[in-house]
Amino acid sequence: KAGVTQTPRYLIKTRGQQVTLSCSPISGHRSVSWYQQTPGQGLQFLFEYFSETQRNKGNFPGRFSGRQFSNSRSEMNVSTLELGDSALYLCASSPPSVRGLTEAFFGQGTRLTVV
Amino acid sequence: DAKTTQPPSMDCAEGRAANLPCNHSTISGNEYVYWYRQIHSQGPQYIIHGLKNNETNEMASLIITEDRKSSTLILPHATLRDTAVYYCIVDSGGGADGLTFGKGTHLIIQP
Repeated sequence: KAGVTQTPRYLIKTRGQQVTLSCSPISGHRSVSWYQQTPGQGLQFLFEYFSETQRNKGNFPGRFSGRQFSNSRSEMNVSTLELGDSALYLCASSPPSVRGLTEAFFGQGTRLTVV
Repeated sequence: DAKTTQPPSMDCAEGRAANLPCNHSTISGNEYVYWYRQIHSQGPQYIIHGLKNNETNEMASLIITEDRKSSTLILPHATLRDTAVYYCIVDSGGGADGLTFGKGTHLIIQP
């Protein structure tokens, strides 16, 4: 079955602009999480959505937002881009589990460069 | 802060077993040990997880000490394609609150 699909793979934006990234989870997965990866900070959790509701949020400013649609596809938006927002943005989906999430399946990521 | 400590890098000869250690001395009773790896320029890949018993799957084995304060991921016959950064993570929900990735171990498989 198809894996987690993120689009676009690469993006170049100018400071002050906004950007929207898209993530299609594995079929049947209802939980989608977003992460930011930079050389300095490593992989950091942004937020997690389940059934169109944000369940958890990491320590990022309000410029970072997201949403999830009824088909579980998710988008994240970054407004007023800063140079420091240049990063690999990763999306992960997780299967339903009685105990909670078990494992996360990551996409290939979107490489965002802010100039 | 990550709750785990891993060596920053390790080498292993191709065909040999790669043993990656992880210390998690403050692990709670309801927290699992998860291992992920990230091959350059790709998203992280789930490998295995366990609570207190040793676990094995088609990719690797996970050995957790009896006091659960440390664990070892074993890749039984390492290949060049196993060169990656390996992350050991402790988590009670598998990521519901977001996985906390540390710096991981950069495993280099030598031909």
